[in-house]
Amino acid sequence: GEDVEQSLFLSVREGDSSVINCTYTDSSSTYLYWYKQEPGAGLQLLTYIFSNMDMKQDQRLTVLLNKKDKHLSLRIADTQTGDSAIYFCAETLHSSASKIIFGSGTRLSIRP
Amino acid sequence: DAGVTQSPTHLIKTRGQQVTLRCSPKSGHDTVSWYQQALGQGPQFIFQYYEEEERQRGNFPDRFSGHQFPNYSSELNVNALLLGDSALYLCASSLGGIGTEAFFGQGTRLTVV
Repeated sequence: GEDVEQSLFLSVREGDSSVINCTYTDSSSTYLYWYKQEPGAGLQLLTYIFSNMDMKQDQRLTVLLNKKDKHLSLRIADTQTGDSAIYFCAETLHSSASKIIFGSGTRLSIRP
Repeated sequence: DAGVTQSPTHLIKTRGQQVTLRCSPKSGHDTVSWYQQALGQGPQFIFQYYEEEERQRGNFPDRFSGHQFPNYSSELNVNALLLGDSALYLCASSLGGIGTEAFFGQGTRLTVV
């Protein structure tokens, strides 16, 4: 079935790395995404990975995909206060490329 | 380059009323999808419009309807509003009738009282 799960909260110290994890159930995922939502705002596409890739790096962001375990992670290096937001893991399926299926989001808070 | 624009930004309606939300896609995009995001939840897919037709629909009742115009802009209509329709409504634009690399607008916050 279509299900994307994430932990609800993550707190990290400024300057440390943040790792946000996600699991999905449908093995027919084509693309997997990470979106960022700041308070009162829409969704910002951070990065995405095609399902036949293992890793993608983009500046401070590293996405790791373990297809066998259906596990996706987002690592943010040198976390800053501006990274405080809700991060959504999402997928599109081969059978339904029109829609994006979102998790419930992980709220990342940064402590000094 | 204007991104995805939605109007209005906020709206308050009474139960039973009807509402129309509007979306202009990012320049060069021809596909518009609508999502409902309830408080504390991830967005839920309502439907997608491509070539002025509804291509796919999520698990939403017929009270939710839409339209796409020749200039690719779109409207979302909700009839007979319920308190549970209170949410942030997000519009996403993409290319070629698929959801990949979708760009989202800032959303319309609908409150039903």
